[in-house]
Amino acid sequence: GENVEQHPSTLSVQEGDSAVIKCTYSDSASNYFPWYKQELGKGPQLIIDIRSNVGEKKDQRIAVTLNKTAKHFSLHITETQPEDSAVYFCAAVMNRDDKIIFGKGTRLHILP
Amino acid sequence: GAGVSQSPSNKVTEKGKDVELRCDPISGHTALYWYRQSLGQGLEFLIYFQGNSAPDKSGLPSDRFSAERTGGSVSTLTIQRTQQEDSAVYLCASSLDRVAGNTIYFGEGSWLTVV
Repeated sequence: GENVEQHPSTLSVQEGDSAVIKCTYSDSASNYFPWYKQELGKGPQLIIDIRSNVGEKKDQRIAVTLNKTAKHFSLHITETQPEDSAVYFCAAVMNRDDKIIFGKGTRLHILP
Repeated sequence: GAGVSQSPSNKVTEKGKDVELRCDPISGHTALYWYRQSLGQGLEFLIYFQGNSAPDKSGLPSDRFSAERTGGSVSTLTIQRTQQEDSAVYLCASSLDRVAGNTIYFGEGSWLTVV
């Protein structure tokens, strides 16, 4: 089955700097890759997603890149702000079974 | 409703008791998922419904766990004879149809504590 590895598990960046979180997946049949942000005591919220026919997608300060050949995808947050502090999860989905496999999460701390 | 609604939001139960957790998906969403998240951990897949049927029950950790969905809407996750290791946040999510073509939305979770 699909396996998603996420790194790093914890990331601290200075406010205003960029943060990058990386994920790899094992099954080349995966074709949809969402990213979720989870704040303390809340459910995960979708922040951006990318499908396998696209290499990059951007939404304001957030961007995601996908390298299908290498089977990895990354989340980039620029000009980080205190409200970006949260746990971020990547995920991979295969069209054939609709099972969403999540990475173990990255706890992002934005330092003042 | 406006979002995925879960109840109860918090539940403390004694070891050995049964609990029921309820999920009310976004209106019109046919796909429904249950995940478990232990403290500080990732999201563990439990079960997936498409309409009322569950094509994938592979994540249910033991036969003490069961889930049903009626009317293609509300789903109930039941844990029988609860154990302390069942303490976790149980998250429900829904999507309009198959997730590979649609966004999946999560509820706020049901926080279960078994004492």
